[in-house]
Amino acid sequence: GAVVSQHPSRVICKSGTSVKIECRSLDFQATTMFWYRQFPKQSLMLMATSNEGSKATYEQGVEKDKFLINHASLTLSTLTVTSAHPEDSSFYICSAREVGGRGEQFFGPGTRLTVL
Amino acid sequence: GQNIDQPTEMTATEGAIVQINCTYQTSGFNGLFWYQQHAGEAPTFLSYNVLDGLEEKGRFSSFLSRSKGYSYLLLKELQMKDSASYLCAVIKREYGNKLVFGAGTILRVKS
Repeated sequence: GAVVSQHPSRVICKSGTSVKIECRSLDFQATTMFWYRQFPKQSLMLMATSNEGSKATYEQGVEKDKFLINHASLTLSTLTVTSAHPEDSSFYICSAREVGGRGEQFFGPGTRLTVL
Repeated sequence: GQNIDQPTEMTATEGAIVQINCTYQTSGFNGLFWYQQHAGEAPTFLSYNVLDGLEEKGRFSSFLSRSKGYSYLLLKELQMKDSASYLCAVIKREYGNKLVFGAGTILRVKS
């Protein structure tokens, strides 16, 4: 089956630093990847849609200058949380949609970000 | 709004059958997914429905009625490991075919 990896799985950083999270589709090509954020006991909230070779599309209320997304290839998208603050602490999950597929998204294992 | 509604929590007994319902607004509907999510982990795919009817896959089945904007996930022969959150997600054309998730149903299986 389609596998999506995320790195790192867990990160703890100081307030004001930037953190980069990588999302890779391991055995398929994904022109579109999605970045979600999930706070405890809440559902997944879509942050942005990452399109290979073009600018990401951000959901309402998500600051594009704070959450930088780069989708440089058909198998890699990165999310950089710039100048992280404690309120950015969350579970960040990426997903990838296979080229020519039926719309199913395959999820990465998630990255637990804790900002001190 | 996107209005994907599911019960917040359910409790069932090991070995029993449980049905988790999901309702959604029908405009622009282009498919429905069910995902399972254990605490602290990412969601895993369970089922996909785009046409009316029942899709069966082992202990799990999913049903869709497009005209009613209604789906359910049926879990048979419940096991303790089935305790998790179950997410209903809908693809809608007006949202660029992005997945829109319901809040999830927390299922607790007791012995």
